[in-house]
Amino acid sequence: QQQVKQSPQSLIVQKGGISIINCAYENTAFDYFPWYQQFPGKGPALLIAIRPDVSEKKEGRFTISFNKSAKQFSLHIMDSQPGDSATYFCAAKTLNQAGTALIFGKGTTLSVSS
Amino acid sequence: SAVISQKPSRDICQRGTSLTIQCQVDSQVTMMFWYRQQPGQSLTLIATANQGSEATYESGFVIDKFPISRPNLTFSTLTVSNMSPEDSSIYLCSVGRANTEAFFGQGTRLTVV
Repeated sequence: QQQVKQSPQSLIVQKGGISIINCAYENTAFDYFPWYQQFPGKGPALLIAIRPDVSEKKEGRFTISFNKSAKQFSLHIMDSQPGDSATYFCAAKTLNQAGTALIFGKGTTLSVSS
Repeated sequence: SAVISQKPSRDICQRGTSLTIQCQVDSQVTMMFWYRQQPGQSLTLIATANQGSEATYESGFVIDKFPISRPNLTFSTLTVSNMSPEDSSIYLCSVGRANTEAFFGQGTRLTVV
C-alpha cells in the first residue's frame, strides 16, 4: 500500500526528444505527487508537483500527467537537453496528515545525448 | 520555500566510530525528516523528528543506531553510531509543513572505511 513504483530505471534520449518517466501507486489516500530532480552530489530538488484534482500540470518543458482511476502519474520532459541529465524521483504523500513523509520511487537515471 | 543547511557535507570515518550530522533550517518548521540514500538507490525514510517529543523511527531503523535530537523548531541532528561500511550513504534531512512540499538539504555523503 505504501509503495510507489517507478519505471524505467534508466533512460537515454536524444537532445530535443521527449523523456517520459512513469510511476504507479497503490495507496488511494495519497493526494500529493511531486517529482524531484537530483544531480550527483546534490540533494533532491522539487521539480514539479500535482494534486489529484487535475489531470495535467505544465511548467515550462516539464509536464505531469495524472490518471486517478489508474493510480498512475508520469513526467514528460519536452525538448530534452543535456542539462536535464540527472536522476528523477517520483514521490507521493498524504498532505492532510501532519507529519507524513514522502514515499519515493526507485528513481530514473536520464541521460540526454547531444 | 525553506533553506536547509547540512553539516558536514561529506566525511570519511573509521568503522566503529560515530558521526553527528547537523541540519539547520532558516525558518521554524514542525516536522523534520531524516532520509538515507544508499549509492545508486532511492531515498529511504529513517525517522521523523518532531520538536518536543521523541523521534519516530521507520521499520529497520532503531534509536540506538540513529539517535536524533530536535532541540528547537529550526535544528536537528542525526547521529550514525558504531559505523560500519554498510552505513556508507548520503544522509539527507528534509522539512515540510502540512500542505506544502518537502525541501531537502544538500545531504551528507558518508564513507565508512
